[in-house]
Amino acid sequence: ETGVTQTPRHLVMGMTNKKSLKCEQHLGHNAMYWYKQSAKKPLELMFVYNFKEQTENNSVPSRFSPECPNSSHLFLHLHTLQPEDSALYLCASSQGGRAEQYFGPGTRLTVT
Amino acid sequence: QKEVEQNSGPLSVPEGAIASLNCTYSDRGSQSFFWYRQYSGKSPELIMSIYSNGDKEDGRFTAQLNKASQYVSLLIRDSQPSDSATYLCAVNRKDTGRRALTFGSGTRLQVQP
Repeated sequence: ETGVTQTPRHLVMGMTNKKSLKCEQHLGHNAMYWYKQSAKKPLELMFVYNFKEQTENNSVPSRFSPECPNSSHLFLHLHTLQPEDSALYLCASSQGGRAEQYFGPGTRLTVT
Repeated sequence: QKEVEQNSGPLSVPEGAIASLNCTYSDRGSQSFFWYRQYSGKSPELIMSIYSNGDKEDGRFTAQLNKASQYVSLLIRDSQPSDSATYLCAVNRKDTGRRALTFGSGTRLQVQP
């Protein structure tokens, strides 16, 4: 595996379900990010982790719960989502000291 | 005022022409500037980065930065149909310790064969 991988690529869940998104980076980076991309809107930053520590939470509702067990893995735990949470969820990573971010393929989430 | 502004397009150019994509930003302290390309249904792909005033060329792509005017642009020479995508401008301000990028909404480019 190379680059940034995300699983699953597509997810359909009901509002009462609990699911998790997984991201793994194989670039040796130490910072990881979750972004949300909705139709017709700019990419919205959700969370930033640097060396496993959360450094930014962009006022994200508590129904989204991130987890970063190490610098290579990032999870987004989902529960009691709303239909408006349907979007493309993108994971990215970067190397310390550099601003360039590299994105995974994303998870297309549909909440029914 | 949006932090990063782009014309949503679509910008339509004929094959072989120069496509010019523009971006303005509001934070005068911004230090790093990026262009990402995003094909429909795919994730953003980094294609150019620029940090100092002037031009930076990479193959058919040229990024131009003017910090005084808070303006960054991307020129695509000899445009190909495969360049048809949405181009996202992103900026970063490192002195705050903040690592995140701020993105514009993107400009959709259509290259007509």
